[in-house]
Amino acid sequence: NAGVTQTPKFQVLKTGQSMTLQCAQDMNHNSMYWYRQDPGMGLRLIYYSASEGTTDKGEVPNGYNVSRLNKREFSLRLESAAPSQTSVYFCASRNYGTVVSGANVLTFGAGSRLTVL
Amino acid sequence: DAKTTQPPSMDCAEGRAANLPCNHSTISGNEYVYWYRQIHSQGPQYIIHGLKNNETNEMASLIITEDRKSSTLILPHATLRDTAVYYCTVSGSARQLTFGSGTQLTVLP
Repeated sequence: NAGVTQTPKFQVLKTGQSMTLQCAQDMNHNSMYWYRQDPGMGLRLIYYSASEGTTDKGEVPNGYNVSRLNKREFSLRLESAAPSQTSVYFCASRNYGTVVSGANVLTFGAGSRLTVL
Repeated sequence: DAKTTQPPSMDCAEGRAANLPCNHSTISGNEYVYWYRQIHSQGPQYIIHGLKNNETNEMASLIITEDRKSSTLILPHATLRDTAVYYCTVSGSARQLTFGSGTQLTVLP
């Protein structure tokens, strides 16, 4: 049981290049999230997908696009990378939709460290 | 989801109890309080959660005030490996889930 898997773990881009961060979960969770974490800062929500077929903007969506490819996979795309997007990106998943105790626990991936020069 | 407020940093002596506070004054009736921690730059990990009653597991205890507007995470015997950033968040029926800045706990030898 791998949990949440993110690829790549490390990436260096030049300004203006594009790339896609991949995320896959094997826990049959319905909701998936992308966060970014700048050095010394907390987690900020970029986009989320409450269920397959839906995506919504979070706190800091500008400069990003997402695709919920299927129930397992949720990708984050940078169309034209900027130095301000240098950050660590975390994908997470949970079962949204019930207030049953523990159902909303988030499981995080190990992170993808992106540097934009 | 309700917003949370935590102190930016705390120190604790090794072997002593670490008590980390969180304010969530706008919490609604169906929202649970969740605690996570992040060691170095790893992905955050779930610690414990609760609704009204105090909770305990193998990692920590969670004390929620009667009005549910604040809570305290207790690490009963802190070790150096407990040095981490601790995040308090609340979650219920809303789809979005946001985090505050967390508390950097440093356990001192």
